Amino acid sequence: LAKTTQPISMDSYEGQEVNITCSHNNIATNDYITWYQQFPSQGPRFIIQGYKTKVTNEVASLFIPADRKSSTLSLPRVSLSDTAVYYCLVGDYSGGYNKLIFGAGTRLAVHP
Amino acid sequence: DAMVIQNPRYQVTQFGKPVTLSCSQTLNHNVMYWYQQKSSQAPKLLFHYYDKDFNNEADTPDNFQSRRPNTSFCFLDIRSPGLGDAAMYLCATRGHLSSYNEQFFGPGTRLTVL
Repeated sequence: LAKTTQPISMDSYEGQEVNITCSHNNIATNDYITWYQQFPSQGPRFIIQGYKTKVTNEVASLFIPADRKSSTLSLPRVSLSDTAVYYCLVGDYSGGYNKLIFGAGTRLAVHP
Repeated sequence: DAMVIQNPRYQVTQFGKPVTLSCSQTLNHNVMYWYQQKSSQAPKLLFHYYDKDFNNEADTPDNFQSRRPNTSFCFLDIRSPGLGDAAMYLCATRGHLSSYNEQFFGPGTRLTVL
């Protein structure tokens, strides 16, 4: 299983762009990179997923360099409601099943 | 709305008293997962079902069991809860048409052991 490493915490202010970088040096050829968001006392929520280059949706952008050993989640113009834990995962597709191994995550605090 | 439902949201049990947590889904997903999340830690996978095929994680204690009587429901049984089992228990699902690593999580059940 590819391990991920990301900052333990980050602070930002409303209206700023936040970039959270994750390293996954041992990513396998068929692995996708996925980010989840978790608010206190709620289950994680899928944000975005990518394999290479750049992916964008209504919530975030995901940048993946050619070597795929890292990825960056970009949250444009954050608000107080973006305060949450953000998990970077590299999925393990083994034996036809899909398992997610969560790392420690990054606690993002957005301040007024 | 299609969703993952967990009942109860809060459960209190006594040390050693069996407890069952339930999860239901209206997504008709074939894969269901149970995670344990302790305070300020990441979710940890306990086991999952691929249809009726049960898959236990190697480090999941024998104290934890699961049942999946049909596609919609999945139960987590803790046979003799200890103080260390106090945690949030999360149920998640995934379907054939889901994105590669996309799982749908329920709100969780917070278990307190007295």
